[in-house]
Amino acid sequence: EVQLVESGGGLVKPGGSLRLSCAASGFTFSKDWMSWVRQAPGKGLEWVGRIKSKTDGGTTDYAAPVKGRFTISRDDSKNTLYLQMNSLKTEDTAEYYCSQYYYGYLQHWGQGTLVTVSS
Amino acid sequence: QSVLTQPPSVSGAPGQRVTISCTGSNSNIGGSYDAHWYQQLPGTAPKLLIYGNSNRPSGVPDRFSGSKSGTSASLAITGLQAEDEADYYCQSFDSSLSTWVFGGGTKLTVL
Repeated sequence: EVQLVESGGGLVKPGGSLRLSCAASGFTFSKDWMSWVRQAPGKGLEWVGRIKSKTDGGTTDYAAPVKGRFTISRDDSKNTLYLQMNSLKTEDTAEYYCSQYYYGYLQHWGQGTLVTVSS
Repeated sequence: QSVLTQPPSVSGAPGQRVTISCTGSNSNIGGSYDAHWYQQLPGTAPKLLIYGNSNRPSGVPDRFSGSKSGTSASLAITGLQAEDEADYYCQSFDSSLSTWVFGGGTKLTVL
């Protein structure tokens, strides 16, 4: 059974940094592309970014609102996906979900971790 | 303003059929990019409901079906049940933005 468990969320001040983790199990993590999606309170889903498998180059793509501030990385030896968030803004407040990316869609999702950016 | 447009809400009585539309453009759904659908039950994470316009993952009841025509996609739910009350989102790729995009979401209320 595929399991994705996010952690690392919390309260951070504007301009601060936070690193989210997503522990994966139940599938061959190293072979799969992964994504982060967020959802502001009471709002819809928003794509954050994606990382390819190392076999496919390990490259990343980001949504415009987070490009240059957020970095997605992976540690295949630990079956873990990361989201490093810098220069956080109040509008980054959201539930952050990691997901297994498969041919353009998101096959499995974690339960999410809440990030609150507030002074 | 979402690139993919969904109605904010739809409703139906138990047993009825409802459809949810997702209207895009030639840079996404109309440009031969697939549409996918997700169901988000209250207080839970989204779940894949339909992929590749009309395919159901294992475990999704056949009451749920998807289709695509031109620049739009649709999700149909037949035999509506109380447990179907949720938010539904469509998703595709947009070549103009070079990013993956979601619709704004549709809240389904079972009367």
